[in-house]
Amino acid sequence: EIVMTQSPATLSVSPGERATFSCRASESINGKLAWYQQKPGQAPRLLIYGTSMRATSIPVRFSGGGSRTEFTLTITTLQSEDFAVYYCEQYHKWPWTFGPGTKVEI
Amino acid sequence: QVQLVESGGGVVQPGESLRLSCAASGFAFSDYAIHWVRQAPGKGLEWLAIIWSDGSNQFYADSVKGRFTISRDNSKNTLYLQMNSLRVEDTALYYCAKDPHYTGYGYFDYWGQGILVTVSS
Repeated sequence: EIVMTQSPATLSVSPGERATFSCRASESINGKLAWYQQKPGQAPRLLIYGTSMRATSIPVRFSGGGSRTEFTLTITTLQSEDFAVYYCEQYHKWPWTFGPGTKVEI
Repeated sequence: QVQLVESGGGVVQPGESLRLSCAASGFAFSDYAIHWVRQAPGKGLEWLAIIWSDGSNQFYADSVKGRFTISRDNSKNTLYLQMNSLRVEDTALYYCAKDPHYTGYGYFDYWGQGILVTVSS
């Protein structure tokens, strides 16, 4: 199966700053990458699919990029509601697999 | 709006069975593949199973293959997960999640709130 890794495990930022974190796949995934946000006690929420396509109602401050095996999620101008855990997921090859997550904390 | 509501969780002993349900509303349930995804306490996400919109195909993660069965009743807008031979390591929050395609693109555009399954002796 394709193994997904994320870095850093924890990212400490201040509101208003920019946050960028990474996701790496163990092999090329043809752009089939999604990002999810999960806040404590809540279900994950789809942010990005197809590497860079924002899901419905996702603010423009969230952007995704990358190719082949290296991907990034950038949050420009962090808001208080953006502090959460972010997971990447590959859906290029079954079984679909998630990264271990990056926690964005104040 | 899209709603997915899981039920049927609880505490069981190792080796026992449990059936989870996921009631869907706010979209054309029979047009979309649906998944089960779980999250062990304090851990990350693990995809478990998918069923196509018409129920004709199901696929499973190796960790649950042969023990769990995904099914759906499109007349009731409900998804199921029959879990047999439960193990301590199956303890997790179980989510049903909608796929944006009828045969499953493999990502999840809407999630339920999850239901807790605890396997303990």
